[in-house]
Amino acid sequence: EAQVTQNPRYLITVTGKKLTVTCSQNMNHEYMSWYRQDPGLGLRQIYYSMNVEVTDKGDVPEGYKVSRKEKRNFPLILESPSPNQTSLYFCASSKSGSHDNSPLHFGNGTRLTVT
Amino acid sequence: QKEVEQNSGPLSVPEGAIASLNCTYSDRGSQSFFWYRQYSGKSPELIMSIYSNGDKEDGRFTAQLNKASQYVSLLIRDSQPSDSATYLCAATPLLNAGNNRKLIWGLGTSLAVNP
Repeated sequence: EAQVTQNPRYLITVTGKKLTVTCSQNMNHEYMSWYRQDPGLGLRQIYYSMNVEVTDKGDVPEGYKVSRKEKRNFPLILESPSPNQTSLYFCASSKSGSHDNSPLHFGNGTRLTVT
Repeated sequence: QKEVEQNSGPLSVPEGAIASLNCTYSDRGSQSFFWYRQYSGKSPELIMSIYSNGDKEDGRFTAQLNKASQYVSLLIRDSQPSDSATYLCAATPLLNAGNNRKLIWGLGTSLAVNP
């Protein structure tokens, strides 16, 4: 089954404790992206990757890191989480990063709480 | 600032009625438009995509695009309680830095279908 898999689904952590949220897609998609979703603010892009070893900042990259060493994986790293990073996170992928109209496929989301 | 605007709702319709969801966008060069459905706490799910002026029908859903008026809508016929969700409108601008396939998202319209 074609899918984007995120783990964990729920995560509660404390300020400053490094964490990684994993994302994997099995559709051989070139483009992958991370979003956070907050009430009243909608979906905001954190980082994106056009292909392997190619990553760039989105709208809200501060406090986050990503890597794209393999085509299928795009982990999101919070080196020193803070309470303002409490949010619902989504990984998404599409066939291409160029304008070919291919839709975004979303993972199931990770609800992160930082205390 | 490129924007996609939606009425936040809630839009309440009786079961069996037609639900009409509207979206306007500011970037006249936008090429592609998408409607996603999102249940509370779940990931966005693609419902419809539309690229050309006019109507596009898929089952109970019809997307309408009017590029001259910078307006896109989603009609849901024979609304069901299971259609109760938030509907997100998204647009792809003509040009993005680095070819980032960065969708511009609306904040969504909450739809409630009453039995």
